[in-house]
Amino acid sequence: GAVVSQHPSRVICKSGTSVKIECRSLDFQATTMFWYRQFPKQSLMLMATSNEGSKATYEQGVEKDKFLINHASLTLSTLTVTSAHPEDSSFYICSANQMNTEAFFGQGTRLTVV
Amino acid sequence: AQSVTQLDSQVPVFEEAPVELRCNYSSSVSVYLFWYVQYPNQGLQLLLKYLSGSTLVKGINGFEAEFNKSQTSFHLRKPSVHISDTAEYFCAVSHTGGFKTIFGAGTRLFVKA
Repeated sequence: GAVVSQHPSRVICKSGTSVKIECRSLDFQATTMFWYRQFPKQSLMLMATSNEGSKATYEQGVEKDKFLINHASLTLSTLTVTSAHPEDSSFYICSANQMNTEAFFGQGTRLTVV
Repeated sequence: AQSVTQLDSQVPVFEEAPVELRCNYSSSVSVYLFWYVQYPNQGLQLLLKYLSGSTLVKGINGFEAEFNKSQTSFHLRKPSVHISDTAEYFCAVSHTGGFKTIFGAGTRLFVKA
């Protein structure tokens, strides 16, 4: 199947700093990418939908100014957590798919804000 | 809109016993269905998927699932579990047009010796 690479796999940052997470589709062009968040012992919750060259669509309750999404090309989307705080600590997962196909997931990024 | 209901939050089972993890979905359009497994502190691993065709789907690690359109179910089964199957299992659904994936709340499978 198609491969989606997410980087970094783990990151620790200080409170108040910003962190960027990359999601790349390695062997296909992704028309759409999605960002999910998973709190401990909970399910994955969709944060936003990202289409190449256009603004991301955020789910209700997700702060778009805190979670900046850039989908600059058909193979790369980035999520920047701005002014991170301990409550932003979580597991972030991206997925990518082409039209009319299933989504392929990255391996996730564990963010710890100290 | 689509939704997924995993009927059991936890399923304890003895090693070598059979197991079924239940999943029901709701959608007004055609869907793809998935089961993922997540081990502690790891990402998602795809167990199996239903895209089209045969309603009985076989996956990795001896798991299988059956798509039942009339009952809107996609239950996961394994005839004989191992200790190593202890993990969190997520049922998921997406629209066939390549839209977002919606996850169930998860079922914690705990295999006892």
